[in-house]
Amino acid sequence: GAVVSQHPSRVICKSGTSVKIECRSLDFQATTMFWYRQFPKQSLMLMATSNEGSKATYEQGVEKDKFLINHASLTLSTLTVTSAHPEDSSFYICSADRGSGANVLTFGAGSRLTVL
Amino acid sequence: TQLLEQSPQFLSIQEGENLTVYCNSSSVFSSLQWYRQEPGEGPVLLVTVVTGGEVKKLKRLTFQFGDARKDSSLHITAAQPGDTGLYLCAGARGSNYKLTFGKGTLLTVNP
Repeated sequence: GAVVSQHPSRVICKSGTSVKIECRSLDFQATTMFWYRQFPKQSLMLMATSNEGSKATYEQGVEKDKFLINHASLTLSTLTVTSAHPEDSSFYICSADRGSGANVLTFGAGSRLTVL
Repeated sequence: TQLLEQSPQFLSIQEGENLTVYCNSSSVFSSLQWYRQEPGEGPVLLVTVVTGGEVKKLKRLTFQFGDARKDSSLHITAAQPGDTGLYLCAGARGSNYKLTFGKGTLLTVNP
């Protein structure tokens, strides 16, 4: 079945540094990937839509200069949290379209970011 | 904004009890999906319902899509501790894979 891999699963960084999270579709190609943010015991909040070969589409209220998204290939999208601050600490999840035509997405296992 | 109202937000029950989670919207969705998420993991798809009035069963889980495709429910029969997790409904419109998520239902089944 379709698998989406996220790396790293956990990362701790100092305030002011930048952190890159990778989202890979392992056995399928994905022209579109999605990035979400999730706070403890809450639902997923869509941050942006990552489009292969073009600029990402950000949701209202999400700073594009803060959360840089690059989708350079059909199997890889990256999210870079720039100049991270403690309030950026969260669980970040990506998903990718399997191409089944049924609006079914495969989710990664998530990346836990802790900014000290 | 297409909102999906999910209820209840929290549910704590004893093993063996039945429960129902609801997902309601004023908007029509082309499909609606239910996911289960465990702590520290990504959501895992349980089912997709597409046709109004559709009912799907997955062992002790029964999913229903409303006739007007605006609402859905998840019913669990004889809940077990292994059913504990965050249940999320998500709706899609057309061929856009951008899902609208409900706020989730955190289910705890006590042994």
